[in-house]
Amino acid sequence: KNEVEQSPQNLTAQEGEFITINCSYSVGISALHWLQQHPGGGIVSLFMLSSGKKKHGRLIATINIQEKHSSLHITASHPRDSAVYICAVRRGTQGGSEKLVFGKGMKLTVNP
Amino acid sequence: AAGVIQSPRHLIKEKRETATLKCYPIPRHDTVYWYQQGPGQDPQFLISFYEKMQSDKGSIPDRFSAQQFSDYHSELNMSSLELGDSALYFCASSLRVGRLSGNTIYFGEGSWLTVV
Repeated sequence: KNEVEQSPQNLTAQEGEFITINCSYSVGISALHWLQQHPGGGIVSLFMLSSGKKKHGRLIATINIQEKHSSLHITASHPRDSAVYICAVRRGTQGGSEKLVFGKGMKLTVNP
Repeated sequence: AAGVIQSPRHLIKEKRETATLKCYPIPRHDTVYWYQQGPGQDPQFLISFYEKMQSDKGSIPDRFSAQQFSDYHSELNMSSLELGDSALYFCASSLRVGRLSGNTIYFGEGSWLTVV
C-alpha cells in the first residue's frame, strides 16, 4: 500500500464546477504539500500545510492531522486549472529532512 | 523573483554515455533536492544536499553521483546511461527546516533526459 493515496485518479469537470481532490497518508508527517504539474513537466508548489486550512485565490487546502487526510478544493474551476495535482508529504518531525513522498497525482481536466 | 533554474531543459544521450544536469537554487536557499520522474510515474527522491554536504539519499543508482558546490548550485552526473534512465529530473530548493524564514520547497522546471 502506498504511503500517500490520492483520489480520484482522474477527474473531468465542466468550467465553473467546485472540485475536491483528496489525499490520505499512512505515516507520521511534519508537513503536506499540494503541487500542480502541467503537461511538459514543471511542478508548482500550491500549498504547504502542517495544520488547519490555507486559501489562495480560488484554491483552498485543508488538513486533518488526526485523520491523516487532506483536501484541495478548487472553486469556480477554469480550463486553465487542467493539470495533475500531486499530494506529497514530508515524513518525520520538524527539523528533519525535507525529503518528500509523493502520491500518484490526480489528472484534472476542466472543459469549457 | 528568481526561481530554481535547471539546465539543460532537454537532453538526448545514447546508451552508455554520460550526462550532467545542473541546478541553480533560489538565492540564499541552502538545501537542494533531486527527484526522478519516469514516464507516467510519480517523482522519486534521489538525493539531497544541505550546505554542500549530502544530507539524505534515496533510490539513486550507483551510476549516478551528485554534489553541491560553494555557490550552492548542484550537479547530477549520470554515467553508463541506460534506456530506463529516460525521465524528467527535478531539482528543488528550500531553506533548512526550522529556520524562521520558512521551508516551502520550490521546484525547477525539470530536465528531460532521453536515452536512445
